[in-house]
Amino acid sequence: LAKTTQPISMDSYEGQEVNITCSHNNIATNDYITWYQQFPSQGPRFIIQGYKTKVTNEVASLFIPADRKSSTLSLPRVSLSDTAVYYCLVGDPMDSSYKLIFGSGTRLLVRP
Amino acid sequence: KAGVTQTPRYLIKTRGQQVTLSCSPISGHRSVSWYQQTPGQGLQFLFEYFSETQRNKGNFPGRFSGRQFSNSRSEMNVSTLELGDSALYLCASGRGLPPSYEQYFGPGTRLTVT
Repeated sequence: LAKTTQPISMDSYEGQEVNITCSHNNIATNDYITWYQQFPSQGPRFIIQGYKTKVTNEVASLFIPADRKSSTLSLPRVSLSDTAVYYCLVGDPMDSSYKLIFGSGTRLLVRP
Repeated sequence: KAGVTQTPRYLIKTRGQQVTLSCSPISGHRSVSWYQQTPGQGLQFLFEYFSETQRNKGNFPGRFSGRQFSNSRSEMNVSTLELGDSALYLCASGRGLPPSYEQYFGPGTRLTVT
């Protein structure tokens, strides 16, 4: 699986848009980019997944440039409850050996 | 739809003992994965079961084992417990077949080894 690099931490304020960028220089052709969110003492929760360009759901948007060597998770108008650790993962879900390899993640702190 | 359930939620064991953790996946899910989370190592993949067969395995010693039953419920066992095994053990379920990508995590079992 491609290794990912994310900022260790980020600070924001309520109502702001937060963009978390993940680098994955060795991403393979069939790899997808997936983001998970984790609150303390809870299991991670799937946020969004994409392959290229832009994906949007009710929670977030995922921007992937043409070279796919990085991706950006965008959280619109964050609230205090968005304080969590965010993980970027890269892998081929169609591969039978696909498994989630979590890096250090990005600790997002949303302040009032 | 009920989520992933794990039992017990908390457990205290002594070094040298063994422990069995249980996971019930979301109905219809055939894949169950196990993860260990510690402050120092983060989230680490243990193994994955699909239709009662171990499909993937992480880099953990043989003291860590698991199995999956025909109803997709899964158990993991840790024998000869060490202090370093103290961790949050998370179970995740998924359909396990394309094009499904998502894994749904349970609340975890907090294991403390003294």
